[in-house]
Amino acid sequence: DAGITQSPRHKVTETGTPVTLRCHQTENHRYMYWYRQDPGHGLRLIHYSYGVKDTDKGEVSDGYSVSRSKTEDFLLTLESATSSQTSVYFCAISGGRYEKQINYEQYFGPGTRLTVT
Amino acid sequence: GENVEQHPSTLSVQEGDSAVIKCTYSDSASNYFPWYKQELGKRPQLIIDIRSNVGEKKDQRIAVTLNKTAKHFSLHITETQPEDSAVYFCAAMGGNQFYFGTGTSLTVIP
Repeated sequence: DAGITQSPRHKVTETGTPVTLRCHQTENHRYMYWYRQDPGHGLRLIHYSYGVKDTDKGEVSDGYSVSRSKTEDFLLTLESATSSQTSVYFCAISGGRYEKQINYEQYFGPGTRLTVT
Repeated sequence: GENVEQHPSTLSVQEGDSAVIKCTYSDSASNYFPWYKQELGKRPQLIIDIRSNVGEKKDQRIAVTLNKTAKHFSLHITETQPEDSAVYFCAAMGGNQFYFGTGTSLTVIP
């Protein structure tokens, strides 16, 4: 499954607490993404990264921040979790292994189920 | 930004029949259109994709067609089997971002 792991896989937390989710890849892909998946909404982009320390917002970025200090790791932080952030979070990668190769194929991690009580 | 609409939201077919799922997109600059299959509790899996310079692509029982003028693309599954039952998502890539449809739940009845 394309060498992508997410941790933790499940988490229950209380409203107002900070939460950090981790995505780790072993594929050396340039692009990394964080999505949330909710019934009736499909997959919605939160933030993405196009290189180390290079990130940009997606369509549902409010309440979330990201960091990418290494090619292989992309962190998603909920500064102060709210019940509306209860969701399944997927990390994804794309961009191929070589700078000159344009590879759009996107592969997903196993997901993290987050419950905010 | 891009807006992707997907229809139908649910689809039931008899085993052996064909299934067709359709998506439309709004941004003419989008140039890559993947389809994903997601089984319950699993991650989305890429099953087929098409780039904007191609009109049709086929992989065994699965095919995708793209009409750039009308801004729509479709997934065709022939000779459906029970293991094809899943949720299918279309997506359009504009710039560096992927925009997803809301999914089609396909049920293949044995």
